[in-house]
Amino acid sequence: GNSVTQMEGPVTLSEEAFLTINCTYTATGYPSLFWYVQYPGEGLQLLLKATKADDKGSNKGFEATYRKETTSFHLEKGSVQVSDSAVYFCALKGFQKLVFGTGTRLLVSP
Amino acid sequence: NAGVTQTPKFQVLKTGQSMTLQCAQDMNHNSMYWYRQDPGMGLRLIYYSASEGTTDKGEVPNGYNVSRLNKREFSLRLESAAPSQTSVYFCASSEEGRKVGFFGQGTRLTVV
Repeated sequence: GNSVTQMEGPVTLSEEAFLTINCTYTATGYPSLFWYVQYPGEGLQLLLKATKADDKGSNKGFEATYRKETTSFHLEKGSVQVSDSAVYFCALKGFQKLVFGTGTRLLVSP
Repeated sequence: NAGVTQTPKFQVLKTGQSMTLQCAQDMNHNSMYWYRQDPGMGLRLIYYSASEGTTDKGEVPNGYNVSRLNKREFSLRLESAAPSQTSVYFCASSEEGRKVGFFGQGTRLTVV
Protein backbone atom coordinates (compact mmCIF):
# COMPACT_ATOMS: atom_id res chain seq x y z
CA GLY A 1 0.00 0.00 0.00
CA ASN A 2 0.87 3.66 -0.04
CA SER A 3 3.25 4.95 2.61
CA VAL A 4 5.28 8.01 3.57
CA THR A 5 8.61 8.07 5.38
CA GLN A 6 9.92 11.21 7.06
CA MET A 7 13.17 11.94 8.78
CA GLU A 8 12.99 11.64 12.53
CA GLY A 9 13.17 14.74 14.63
CA PRO A 10 13.49 16.90 16.38
CA VAL A 11 15.34 19.16 14.00
CA THR A 12 16.97 21.96 15.96
CA LEU A 13 18.16 25.06 14.11
CA SER A 14 19.15 28.62 14.83
CA GLU A 15 17.17 31.46 13.33
CA GLU A 16 18.08 32.20 9.68
CA ALA A 17 19.51 28.71 9.12
CA PHE A 18 18.63 26.62 6.07
CA LEU A 19 16.02 23.92 6.58
CA THR A 20 15.56 20.57 4.87
CA ILE A 21 13.11 17.95 6.06
CA ASN A 22 13.30 14.76 4.03
CA CYS A 23 10.24 12.90 2.82
CA THR A 24 10.07 9.84 0.58
CA TYR A 25 7.01 7.93 -0.48
CA THR A 26 5.83 4.62 -1.86
CA ALA A 27 2.69 4.69 -3.96
CA THR A 28 0.93 3.12 -6.88
CA GLY A 29 -0.27 5.39 -9.61
CA TYR A 30 0.20 9.15 -9.47
CA PRO A 31 -0.50 10.49 -6.00
CA SER A 32 -0.70 14.11 -4.96
CA LEU A 33 1.81 15.15 -2.30
CA PHE A 34 1.38 17.56 0.58
CA TRP A 35 3.14 19.17 3.49
CA TYR A 36 1.06 20.03 6.53
CA VAL A 37 2.11 22.06 9.55
CA GLN A 38 0.82 21.75 13.10
CA TYR A 39 1.53 24.58 15.51
CA PRO A 40 1.37 23.84 19.25
CA GLY A 41 -2.19 23.15 20.42
CA GLU A 42 -3.69 23.48 16.95
CA GLY A 43 -4.94 21.24 14.17
CA LEU A 44 -3.14 20.55 10.92
CA GLN A 45 -2.97 23.19 8.23
CA LEU A 46 -2.06 22.62 4.63
CA LEU A 47 1.30 24.27 3.94
CA LEU A 48 1.87 23.38 0.29
CA LYS A 49 1.05 20.77 -2.29
CA ALA A 50 2.12 19.33 -5.64
CA THR A 51 -0.14 17.28 -7.85
CA LYS A 52 2.22 15.91 -10.51
CA ALA A 53 5.86 15.11 -11.17
CA ASP A 54 8.25 18.10 -11.27
CA ASP A 55 5.64 20.41 -9.74
CA LYS A 56 7.00 22.73 -7.07
CA GLY A 57 4.74 23.70 -4.21
CA SER A 58 5.55 26.85 -2.27
CA ASN A 59 4.10 28.92 0.55
CA LYS A 60 5.44 31.23 3.27
CA GLY A 61 9.00 30.74 2.05
CA PHE A 62 8.76 26.94 2.14
CA GLU A 63 9.23 24.89 -1.03
CA ALA A 64 9.03 21.25 -2.05
CA THR A 65 9.45 19.63 -5.47
CA TYR A 66 7.66 16.43 -6.52
CA ARG A 67 10.48 14.14 -7.66
CA LYS A 68 9.07 11.00 -9.23
CA GLU A 69 12.47 9.55 -10.11
CA THR A 70 13.57 9.57 -6.47
CA THR A 71 10.03 9.30 -5.00
CA SER A 72 10.76 12.28 -2.79
CA PHE A 73 9.12 15.53 -1.69
CA HIS A 74 11.65 17.23 0.57
CA LEU A 75 10.64 20.41 2.38
CA GLU A 76 13.08 23.34 2.28
CA LYS A 77 13.26 26.88 3.55
CA GLY A 78 16.17 29.23 3.05
CA SER A 79 15.98 31.09 6.35
CA VAL A 80 13.87 29.79 9.23
CA GLN A 81 12.28 31.93 11.92
CA VAL A 82 11.39 31.15 15.52
CA SER A 83 7.73 31.27 14.46
CA ASP A 84 8.36 28.27 12.15
CA SER A 85 8.72 26.01 15.19
CA ALA A 86 6.06 23.35 14.69
CA VAL A 87 5.54 19.75 13.63
CA TYR A 88 5.64 19.15 9.87
CA PHE A 89 3.85 16.24 8.23
CA CYS A 90 4.43 14.92 4.74
CA ALA A 91 1.38 13.26 3.19
CA LEU A 92 0.16 11.72 -0.01
CA LYS A 93 -3.24 11.07 -1.45
CA GLY A 94 -3.82 8.37 -4.01
CA PHE A 95 -7.18 6.95 -4.96
CA GLN A 96 -9.02 7.54 -1.74
CA LYS A 97 -6.99 7.88 1.41
CA LEU A 98 -4.74 10.57 2.82
CA VAL A 99 -1.65 8.85 4.19
CA PHE A 100 0.67 10.72 6.59
CA GLY A 101 4.24 10.39 7.69
CA THR A 102 5.02 10.34 11.40
CA GLY A 103 5.84 14.05 11.53
CA THR A 104 9.06 15.96 12.14
CA ARG A 105 9.30 18.46 14.97
CA LEU A 106 11.22 21.63 14.11
CA LEU A 107 12.63 23.76 16.90
CA VAL A 108 14.10 27.15 15.95
CA SER A 109 16.03 29.12 18.55
CA PRO A 110 16.77 32.86 18.42
CA ASN B 1 -16.79 29.29 5.93
CA ALA B 2 -16.60 27.08 9.01
CA GLY B 3 -14.73 24.30 7.17
CA VAL B 4 -14.50 21.19 9.33
CA THR B 5 -16.05 21.42 12.79
CA GLN B 6 -15.40 18.88 15.53
CA THR B 7 -17.13 18.58 18.87
CA PRO B 8 -16.25 18.36 21.67
CA LYS B 9 -12.79 19.93 21.90
CA PHE B 10 -11.94 18.18 25.16
CA GLN B 11 -13.37 15.12 26.92
CA VAL B 12 -12.47 12.97 29.89
CA LEU B 13 -14.02 9.51 30.10
CA LYS B 14 -13.84 6.70 32.60
CA THR B 15 -12.82 3.27 31.36
CA GLY B 16 -15.85 1.49 29.93
CA GLN B 17 -17.86 4.63 29.17
CA SER B 18 -19.08 5.32 25.68
CA MET B 19 -19.13 8.51 23.66
CA THR B 20 -19.48 9.85 20.13
CA LEU B 21 -17.22 12.41 18.53
CA GLN B 22 -19.02 14.56 16.03
CA CYS B 23 -17.65 15.99 12.81
CA ALA B 24 -19.33 18.13 10.18
CA GLN B 25 -18.03 19.82 7.03
CA ASP B 26 -19.71 22.51 4.97
CA MET B 27 -17.59 22.22 1.81
CA ASN B 28 -19.70 19.54 0.08
CA HIS B 29 -16.78 17.11 0.16
CA ASN B 30 -17.32 13.47 -0.66
CA SER B 31 -14.50 12.00 1.45
CA MET B 32 -14.18 12.22 5.23
CA TYR B 33 -11.66 10.72 7.63
CA TRP B 34 -10.97 10.10 11.30
CA TYR B 35 -7.36 10.07 12.53
CA ARG B 36 -5.76 9.72 15.90
CA GLN B 37 -2.52 11.44 16.78
CA ASP B 38 -0.21 10.01 19.40
CA PRO B 39 3.30 11.16 20.40
CA GLY B 40 5.93 9.65 18.12
CA MET B 41 3.30 7.94 15.97
CA GLY B 42 2.14 10.72 13.70
CA LEU B 43 -1.41 10.49 12.39
CA ARG B 44 -2.98 7.09 12.02
CA LEU B 45 -6.14 6.54 10.04
CA ILE B 46 -8.99 4.98 12.04
CA TYR B 47 -11.80 4.96 9.47
CA TYR B 48 -12.65 6.80 6.33
CA SER B 49 -15.68 7.34 4.15
CA ALA B 50 -15.20 7.83 0.44
CA SER B 51 -18.79 8.91 -0.09
CA GLU B 52 -22.12 9.12 1.67
CA GLY B 53 -23.26 5.66 2.68
CA THR B 54 -19.82 4.01 2.60
CA THR B 55 -17.22 3.50 5.31
CA ASP B 56 -13.95 1.58 5.36
CA LYS B 57 -11.41 0.61 7.99
CA GLY B 58 -8.09 2.35 8.21
CA GLU B 59 -4.94 1.29 10.06
CA VAL B 60 -6.32 1.22 13.62
CA PRO B 61 -10.10 0.58 13.58
CA ASN B 62 -10.36 -1.72 16.61
CA GLY B 63 -12.49 -0.28 19.41
CA TYR B 64 -14.19 2.26 17.15
CA ASN B 65 -17.27 2.51 14.99
CA VAL B 66 -18.28 5.21 12.54
CA SER B 67 -21.41 6.51 10.89
CA ARG B 68 -21.62 8.60 7.75
CA LEU B 69 -24.94 10.15 8.63
CA ASN B 70 -25.16 12.23 5.47
CA LYS B 71 -22.73 14.00 3.18
CA ARG B 72 -21.88 16.60 5.84
CA GLU B 73 -21.49 14.49 8.96
CA PHE B 74 -19.15 11.68 9.96
CA SER B 75 -19.20 10.54 13.58
CA LEU B 76 -16.78 8.34 15.53
CA ARG B 77 -18.05 6.20 18.40
CA LEU B 78 -16.17 4.58 21.24
CA GLU B 79 -18.47 1.90 22.67
CA SER B 80 -16.32 1.03 25.70
CA ALA B 81 -13.45 3.45 26.19
CA ALA B 82 -10.02 2.17 27.19
CA PRO B 83 -6.95 4.09 28.42
CA SER B 84 -5.19 3.11 25.17
CA GLN B 85 -7.68 5.33 23.37
CA THR B 86 -6.34 8.43 25.09
CA SER B 87 -5.29 10.54 22.13
CA VAL B 88 -6.03 13.59 20.03
CA TYR B 89 -8.60 12.83 17.35
CA PHE B 90 -8.80 14.72 14.07
CA CYS B 91 -11.54 14.69 11.50
CA ALA B 92 -10.72 15.67 7.93
CA SER B 93 -12.48 15.99 4.60
CA SER B 94 -11.34 16.20 1.02
CA GLU B 95 -12.69 16.89 -2.42
CA GLU B 96 -11.62 14.13 -4.76
CA GLY B 97 -10.82 16.39 -7.64
CA ARG B 98 -8.65 18.79 -5.67
CA LYS B 99 -7.24 16.11 -3.39
CA VAL B 100 -6.72 18.50 -0.50
CA GLY B 101 -7.51 17.54 3.06
CA PHE B 102 -9.08 20.04 5.42
CA PHE B 103 -8.79 19.34 9.12
CA GLY B 104 -10.82 20.10 12.17
CA GLN B 105 -9.22 21.54 15.30
CA GLY B 106 -9.09 18.19 17.05
CA THR B 107 -10.63 16.54 20.10
CA ARG B 108 -8.36 15.80 23.04
CA LEU B 109 -9.71 12.67 24.71
CA THR B 110 -8.43 11.29 28.01
CA VAL B 111 -9.60 7.93 29.29
CA VAL B 112 -8.89 7.31 32.97
